[in-house]
Amino acid sequence: AQSVTQLDSQVPVFEEAPVELRCNYSSSVSVYLFWYVQYPNQGLQLLLKYLSGSTLVKGINGFEAEFNKSQTSFHLRKPSVHISDTAEYFCAVTSNRDDKIIFGKGTRLHILP
Amino acid sequence: NAGVTQTPKFQVLKTGQSMTLQCAQDMNHEYMSWYRQDPGMGLRLIHYSVGAGITDQGEVPNGYNVSRSTTEDFPLRLLSAAPSQTSVYFCASKVAGELFFGEGSRLTVL
Repeated sequence: AQSVTQLDSQVPVFEEAPVELRCNYSSSVSVYLFWYVQYPNQGLQLLLKYLSGSTLVKGINGFEAEFNKSQTSFHLRKPSVHISDTAEYFCAVTSNRDDKIIFGKGTRLHILP
Repeated sequence: NAGVTQTPKFQVLKTGQSMTLQCAQDMNHEYMSWYRQDPGMGLRLIHYSVGAGITDQGEVPNGYNVSRSTTEDFPLRLLSAAPSQTSVYFCASKVAGELFFGEGSRLTVL
């Protein structure tokens, strides 16, 4: 069974500063990894996904993530955040042997002016 | 593009009442699922379906029933609502690994 740990429940960061949101996973098989974003009072939408190939994945809105198999991590990064990035971010995992997609508990990103 | 449509958006129930949350998708996705979202708990998978006539349990299935008679629809039933089921419920379909979410249904059980 897969599991996901998001180490930070909240991350405050100044506008135009870089940010990293951490995600670690646990799985005994090859994984597929995702980051979803939820803006206030909305559903979730996909930011980016890793299925195979290059370990550096680029997504929408300037976000990117790096798959690190040895550290079982899939951290999300953005070099310069904006007020519009205020949202909750969820890491998720599944595999080619499982139909379930399991989510972490989320990280709330607060952008400080 | 309707995508994934959930109804109702808001519902208040009394303990012991039953109700059905409706979910429909127009993208012809085989996979559909239900999650609940609670503060500090993230999204937890309730039930999912990989096609018409096939359903399976997720992480927190107790107190919920589902059925999948058509590709388009995946209703979630609460047979006897409890205050612990107060939550925001999201339906999602999936293709090529990506989940497509509805806008959510906020349920309060008094």
